[in-house]
Amino acid sequence: KAGVTQTPRYLIKTRGQQVTLSCSPISGHRSVSWYQQTPGQGLQFLFEYFSETQRNKGNFPGRFSGRQFSNSRSEMNVSTLELGDSALYLCASSLPSGTGELFFGEGSRLTVL
Amino acid sequence: QKEVEQDPGPLSVPEGAIVSLNCTYSNSAFQYFMWYRQYSRKGPELLMYTYSSGNKEDGRFTAQVDKSSKYISLFIRDSQPSDSATYLCAPGPHNFNKFYFGSGTKLNVKP
Repeated sequence: KAGVTQTPRYLIKTRGQQVTLSCSPISGHRSVSWYQQTPGQGLQFLFEYFSETQRNKGNFPGRFSGRQFSNSRSEMNVSTLELGDSALYLCASSLPSGTGELFFGEGSRLTVL
Repeated sequence: QKEVEQDPGPLSVPEGAIVSLNCTYSNSAFQYFMWYRQYSRKGPELLMYTYSSGNKEDGRFTAQVDKSSKYISLFIRDSQPSDSATYLCAPGPHNFNKFYFGSGTKLNVKP
């Protein structure tokens, strides 16, 4: 069974640019969550999508947005990049039951210069 | 007050040692208590979880929950160098699949 796939794995952007990250969940998983991981703040919840609807949101500014498609694939977008957005962005898919079994991808490492 | 507090370590132990990793949390409504393991340059993977109070054992790993004190623990017996990783606790959920994670404890098991 294929795992969660995230693309791209690494990317470098400059301040002010925008970025789009992609996540393909495990087949059959309809819930997709996004997390930001930094050395100082750890893993922080960004948002969760289920059936193309955002049903949870973390405490991030509106520059961070996401969406989910009918095939459960998800994208997140960060606009007007800031230096502090440099982080590992992790996508996790799960069954919608809420037992907390999150299956993470390997992440997209974003560096903002 | 943070939702989840976890000692960041790092924790360095000799091979074969018993390791104790701990977290505290603030929300008494949490029912699931997850432990994830993250190797360097990899995404976290679920190690084990408990539902409600009590202990759960899986091989060399034991997860323990004390809801009265809002304290969760992970014990590793006969630790191996392959256990060297960052361990993240995640009690919850807040809502559906929304979880807050501890900051992670970095463990190094020396051969």
